[in-house]
Amino acid sequence: EAGVTQFPSHSVIEKGQTVTLRCDPISGHDNLYWYRRVMGKEIKFLLHFVKESKQDESGMPNNRFLAERTGGTYSTLKVQPAELEDSGVYFCASSQSRDNEQFFGPGTRLTVL
Amino acid sequence: LAKTTQPISMDSYEGQEVNITCSHNNIATNDYITWYQQFPSQGPRFIIQGYKTKVTNEVASLFIPADRKSSTLSLPRVSLSDTAVYYCLVGALSYNTDKLIFGTGTRLQVFP
Repeated sequence: EAGVTQFPSHSVIEKGQTVTLRCDPISGHDNLYWYRRVMGKEIKFLLHFVKESKQDESGMPNNRFLAERTGGTYSTLKVQPAELEDSGVYFCASSQSRDNEQFFGPGTRLTVL
Repeated sequence: LAKTTQPISMDSYEGQEVNITCSHNNIATNDYITWYQQFPSQGPRFIIQGYKTKVTNEVASLFIPADRKSSTLSLPRVSLSDTAVYYCLVGALSYNTDKLIFGTGTRLQVFP
């Protein structure tokens, strides 16, 4: 069974540009989460989808971040425009139900110059 | 959600047993204790979860005293491949949101 996949693995962009990160959860997992770790800080929750609906987006830092999960399968996280402080590793996780463990992807390392 | 405190780092040698203790003084009645492991350039990976007493699986054991204000992750006979960051998390399974709250974690370095 394939795990959670994320694309790209690395992204280097300039301040002000737009970047879109993609996450493919494990097939059949209705719950999808985004987390990120910025330099020197702890892994922080961003938001949680149940199928295509946003269950909790309390961790989204500001309106430059937009997450979507059309069709309830893969999800995208767009940062527009990117700022220097957005640099970090963005993790996606999925779970079959809310009572099950979360399976994490390898993360996307975003560098904003 | 209860805050957790764990050592920043630990060193060990291959073949030794490693015990990582986590403090969670404000744990709530319905909170579970979960440990995740993270290797470099990978996402965190679930290791074990428990509510009270002792839980054991093929990877580790989790010891939780009666007051549940702390827990100890035990890794038997570690190998070099156990070098990783270990996170202790506390939270209920059935919140409206199931976001995981990560602390700083414990960086375990295993030497030959």
